[in-house]
Amino acid sequence: EVQLLQSGGGLVHLGGSLRLSCAASGFTFSSHAMNWVRQAPGKGLEWVSAISGSGAGKNYADSVKGRFTISRDNSKNTLYLQMNGLRGEDTALYYCAKDGYYFEDWGQGTLVTVSS
Amino acid sequence: EIVMTQSPATLSVSPGERATLSCRATQSVRTNLAWYQQKPGQAPRLLIYGASTRATGIPARFSGSGSGTEFTLTISSLQSEDFAVYYCQQYNNWPALTFGGGTKVEIK
Repeated sequence: EVQLLQSGGGLVHLGGSLRLSCAASGFTFSSHAMNWVRQAPGKGLEWVSAISGSGAGKNYADSVKGRFTISRDNSKNTLYLQMNGLRGEDTALYYCAKDGYYFEDWGQGTLVTVSS
Repeated sequence: EIVMTQSPATLSVSPGERATLSCRATQSVRTNLAWYQQKPGQAPRLLIYGASTRATGIPARFSGSGSGTEFTLTISSLQSEDFAVYYCQQYNNWPALTFGGGTKVEIK
């Protein structure tokens, strides 16, 4: 059974940093692309970032480019999202999601709140 | 960026009735379209991919159709557990994946 267990959310001040983690199990982690998708309170879904199975390929939404960095440690079966220069509009529930195009498996979500 | 527009924003349906949800893309996404269901406090659940292929374990009352810029999700006979928010998502323009704004299906 695929499991994606997220951690690392919380309250951070404007301009601050936070790192999210997503620990994967139940599948061959290094063989699958992974993504981050977020959902602002009461709003819809927004794709944030993707990384290839090897970690060599990375992509970002324009809204986070230059501030967020996606990475993975295949030896630890863990996906990361380093978020710097956080803004109010980054306040959201962040989900990790398995695979590249559409997402059958999601983490439980972790809340990031950016306060002034 | 491909913008996905869903209609209606809210759909009021009685249990047992048919629900038809629409999703429109600003340019062709061929059949590279997925549908998700999301209930309060839960992660989205994949229903349909490839515009019409049901994901694993999805009941046959859920069906998807369409190609190009116009898509439909049909729930043939609404069950109590189907009241939720539904999102479409295009992946034709990978990696710039985009979601629609959602349709809330509520009890009439």
